[in-house]
Amino acid sequence: ETAVFQTPNYHVTQVGNEVSFNCKQTLGHDTMYWYKQDSKKLLKIMFSYNNKQLIVNETVPRRFSPQSSDKAHLNLRIKSVEPEDSAVYLCASSYDQQYFGPGTRLTVL
Amino acid sequence: AQKVTQTQTSISVMEKTTVTMDCVYETQDSSYFLFWYKQTASGEIVFLIRQDSYKKENATVGHYSLNFQKPKSSIGLIITATQIEDSAVYFCAMRDMTNSAGNKLTFGIGTRVLVRP
Repeated sequence: ETAVFQTPNYHVTQVGNEVSFNCKQTLGHDTMYWYKQDSKKLLKIMFSYNNKQLIVNETVPRRFSPQSSDKAHLNLRIKSVEPEDSAVYLCASSYDQQYFGPGTRLTVL
Repeated sequence: AQKVTQTQTSISVMEKTTVTMDCVYETQDSSYFLFWYKQTASGEIVFLIRQDSYKKENATVGHYSLNFQKPKSSIGLIITATQIEDSAVYFCAMRDMTNSAGNKLTFGIGTRVLVRP
């Protein structure tokens, strides 16, 4: 049963454009996350957002910014995408173990 | 810093047999959580099983079980009576118990399992 929803499923864009991905969870969790999965399947945390506190992974470029209106939503905006941003972006939420959304595949041409 | 290492990149087994996957971890914390996730061909990531570091008994859920060897910092996953649909990439992950890291998971690189008929 899907409880973490992401839109869009896929997005293709040109270098320099701005993109925005949405994530919503219906599990009532306080904590949400964004992960990046590269072409080698490596999963890396980008951000976590816990009770309105944003915890940033310092290795994430500043063109990435998370946005949250409430604890059920955590969106991701990328200003001026680069080719290396091509990846699958996975949203997750947790109370204890993490539950993942289906991912958004970004292709930057 | 935490680190999770999965040395087996891929494993191929016959259906209905048992497959064992290795995972070793590094942490400075005395208490932590360990998880195994499965990523299917569609990309869906599914939580399978967890082990809390303070529990001595190996966790078991359905046909998944863990081989937790704390002195060796090892948390192996065992899948018995494998089925074709167990073909997937399996990720080992760790979470520490401090809030400073935001409850983030540190993942291994994954082990691809192919179950052959």
